[in-house]
Amino acid sequence: AQKVTQAQTEISVVEKEDVTLDCVYETRDTTYYLFWYKQPPSGELVFLIRRNSFDEQNEISGRYSWNFQKSTSSFNFTITASQVVDSAVYFCALGVFSGGYNKLIFGAGTRLAVHP
Amino acid sequence: DTAVSQTPKYLVTQMGNDKSIKCEQNLGHDTMYWYKQDSKKFLKIMFSYNNKELIINETVPNRFSPKSPDKAHLNLHINSLELGDSAVYFCASSPQVNEKLFFGSGTQLSVL
Repeated sequence: AQKVTQAQTEISVVEKEDVTLDCVYETRDTTYYLFWYKQPPSGELVFLIRRNSFDEQNEISGRYSWNFQKSTSSFNFTITASQVVDSAVYFCALGVFSGGYNKLIFGAGTRLAVHP
Repeated sequence: DTAVSQTPKYLVTQMGNDKSIKCEQNLGHDTMYWYKQDSKKFLKIMFSYNNKELIINETVPNRFSPKSPDKAHLNLHINSLELGDSAVYFCASSPQVNEKLFFGSGTQLSVL
């Protein structure tokens, strides 16, 4: 089965705390892609990162960092020194070849609330 | 310049009506999609078109019919609307499949 699990439905933190959003995926494909998207209260979907299955290097972009571990099928996302503007729903997604075509499978999302 | 634009932003209608949502992208992408986001925020792909050809049709009722007149447009027509169709519908595009998706701002459909 191809699946993405974001076990944390909601997380609440106080500003300046670090927070990690978990993402676990399932696929038998050897080639696949992993994504994170952010959906702020305004509703639009904002791309954050894309990684392919052959690139396990961790990535840092400002206060955001991503930890990709194939051994545990996880692609976790950490926000350092969180800010109120980070409040959003965050989606992890898996891009696979399934049923004869490529498609993106989204997790259920994690709602992050950052309080002042 | 909006990269992926969809209209209308809000659509309120009665059960049984037929409605359309339009989507246009000015990014020159080959692939376009429709996603549905339900009230629990779950995002699921409905359709994907590559160069005007349908490549994904994810067990969507045949009341939903996508139409791609050209590579830059992918419209969604819904017949005989039902209460369960209430959701936010997102159009998206990407240069190729499995590349970064560029999403429109969504259409909130409310069926009364």
